[in-house]
Amino acid sequence: ILNVEQSPQSLHVQEGDSTNFTCSFPSSNFYALHWYRWETAKSPEALFVMTLNGDEKKKGRISATLNTKEGYSYLYIKGSQPEDSATYLCASLSDDYKLSFGAGTTVTVRA
Amino acid sequence: DTEVTQTPKHLVMGMTNKKSLKCEQHMGHRAMYWYKQKAKKPPELMFVYSYEKLSINESVPSRFSPECPNSSLLNLHLHALQPEDSALYLCASSRSTGELFFGEGSRLTVL
Repeated sequence: ILNVEQSPQSLHVQEGDSTNFTCSFPSSNFYALHWYRWETAKSPEALFVMTLNGDEKKKGRISATLNTKEGYSYLYIKGSQPEDSATYLCASLSDDYKLSFGAGTTVTVRA
Repeated sequence: DTEVTQTPKHLVMGMTNKKSLKCEQHMGHRAMYWYKQKAKKPPELMFVYSYEKLSINESVPSRFSPECPNSSLLNLHLHALQPEDSALYLCASSRSTGELFFGEGSRLTVL
């Protein structure tokens, strides 16, 4: 099982502000990095699957970057809205096809 | 709405009971997963089925017994559980090493 770390554990953001948080993972045996959004009482939903070093993906106001050499990924939320409140999970897929999750960053957007 | 359906949503059982958690998907995914998640902790991989065969068992105690009757169904049979097994059990499916599609989870309480 890979040691995937996310920080911070939680954060509060004022509506309209931008924010970002980190996922770190072992860079050896790396295959892919996943980001999921998990809203309360719902199922986790995939945001991004990233494989290439330097990759950057965007979905609306949310974007993510990947550095496979140093083993980290950032998730950015631009102009946070209340509907962005959720727990954001990252997960690292190793070359033995096991997906290991971090504990998540819980984002609360205050109106 | 999630395309992975888990039942029941909530289950309370005694340590001598036998119960089952069920998971169903009709997306044609050939990989299905069971994860266990406790509060504020990362989801932990338990089992992976690939093409209806058990491909990964993360040293899960035998009181948890998975079953994949066909490509759309995944069960988790529970017997003689302990209170520390109380958790959210998440089922997921995927095409291969792509994004996971999760159910909403089954919240298990063992008395």
